[in-house]
Amino acid sequence: DQQVKQNSPSLSVQEGRISILNCDYTNSMFDYFLWYKKYPAEGPTFLISISSIKDKNEDGRFTVFLNKSAKHLSLHIVPSQPGDSAVYFCAVSPYSGAGSYQLTFGKGTKLSVIP
Amino acid sequence: KAGVTQTPRYLIKTRGQQVTLSCSPISGHRSVSWYQQTPGQGLQFLFEYFSETQRNKGNFPGRFSGRQFSNSRSEMNVSTLELGDSALYLCASSLGRPTDTQYFGPGTRLTVL
Repeated sequence: DQQVKQNSPSLSVQEGRISILNCDYTNSMFDYFLWYKKYPAEGPTFLISISSIKDKNEDGRFTVFLNKSAKHLSLHIVPSQPGDSAVYFCAVSPYSGAGSYQLTFGKGTKLSVIP
Repeated sequence: KAGVTQTPRYLIKTRGQQVTLSCSPISGHRSVSWYQQTPGQGLQFLFEYFSETQRNKGNFPGRFSGRQFSNSRSEMNVSTLELGDSALYLCASSLGRPTDTQYFGPGTRLTVL
């Protein structure tokens, strides 16, 4: 049973336009939300995160939106650049009592930005 | 600052064998987590070590084990390999607090024949 779903396996966007990647989760106990991107033959690279007490977090061209009532997370990239072409994973985590967290990942969305 | 390193990068084993993978975290990071990535299941959490103690464990059989040394380096062991263990094994390090970013290594590609 998938707790984190990225329903679009792939997305193509024209350079300069907005890319919107979506993620849905099922467990309301999830408290911390992240986006990673991954290039072939490399490990995932952290992009941006948001805690459940916020509904928006911005970092340069990247903005993450959190809708807790809908259990929905989205990543906006504006403007999109060819170098953004990669697989994007959303990840969620509960805060555990042990003081650590374990990430549950979606299966990823492959973004292609067309020059 | 050097990133997370994993050795070896590629490995081929046969069914029934065992394998040990190594991960060196970023200097100063005390938490190391391991993940398995397969096309069908995506990225799945295996376990996390902090200061030589396993703090969290995912839903994997006991054939998957790990340990962490006093210098924070970590090893992951898989015994009695099965074909389904073929995957990219990723480790990630962090300072270890709940909202600290996890930094991933490039992974070890394990193929079981």
